[in-house]
Amino acid sequence: GENVEQHPSTLSVQEGDSAVIKCTYSDSASNYFPWYKQELGKRPQLIIDIRSNVGEKKDQRIAVTLNKTAKHFSLHITETQPEDSAVYFCAATPKAAGNKLTFGGGTRVLVKP
Amino acid sequence: DGGITQSPKYLFRKEGQNVTLSCEQNLNHDAMYWYRQDPGQGLRLIYYSQIVNDFQKGDIAEGYSVSREKKESFPLTVTSAQKNPTAFYLCASSTRQENEQFFGPGTRLTVL
Repeated sequence: GENVEQHPSTLSVQEGDSAVIKCTYSDSASNYFPWYKQELGKRPQLIIDIRSNVGEKKDQRIAVTLNKTAKHFSLHITETQPEDSAVYFCAATPKAAGNKLTFGGGTRVLVKP
Repeated sequence: DGGITQSPKYLFRKEGQNVTLSCEQNLNHDAMYWYRQDPGQGLRLIYYSQIVNDFQKGDIAEGYSVSREKKESFPLTVTSAQKNPTAFYLCASSTRQENEQFFGPGTRLTVL
């Protein structure tokens, strides 16, 4: 089955700086890669996703890049703000698995004012 | 956010008891999922269902059971066979065509 590794597990950045979180996956058939944000005590919410036919996707201050050859994808947050502080999860799903997601272990991001 | 609900928000159980966690959605989604989240860890899939009256084991199904008698509902029973059930349980749903999963607010289960 699919295995997703996520790094770093914690990330502290100064407000205004950029944050980068990296994930690697094992199943070359995976074709959908979402990123979820989970604030303390709340439900995970999708913030951006990318499919395997695209190398990069942007949405305002967040972007995701995908390298299919190396089987890794990254989340980039620019101009970080205190409200970006949360736990971020990457995930992957092989096409054959329907909509079943395999999640990474999460990254706790702290944005210091 | 109101499309998928879980109850109760907090649940306390004595060792040896079975408990059932509720998950309901009004999004008309075919697929539903149960995840377990432990402190500082990611989400692990317990069970999932792609259609009514059918479900499959996820990565950590031992000690859990589910049913899917209605499209809107996917209850999870934590049995006494689950050795370490204290965790945060999240339910999610999606359409069969789209990959995005929508999560409920979660149930925090504590075994006393």
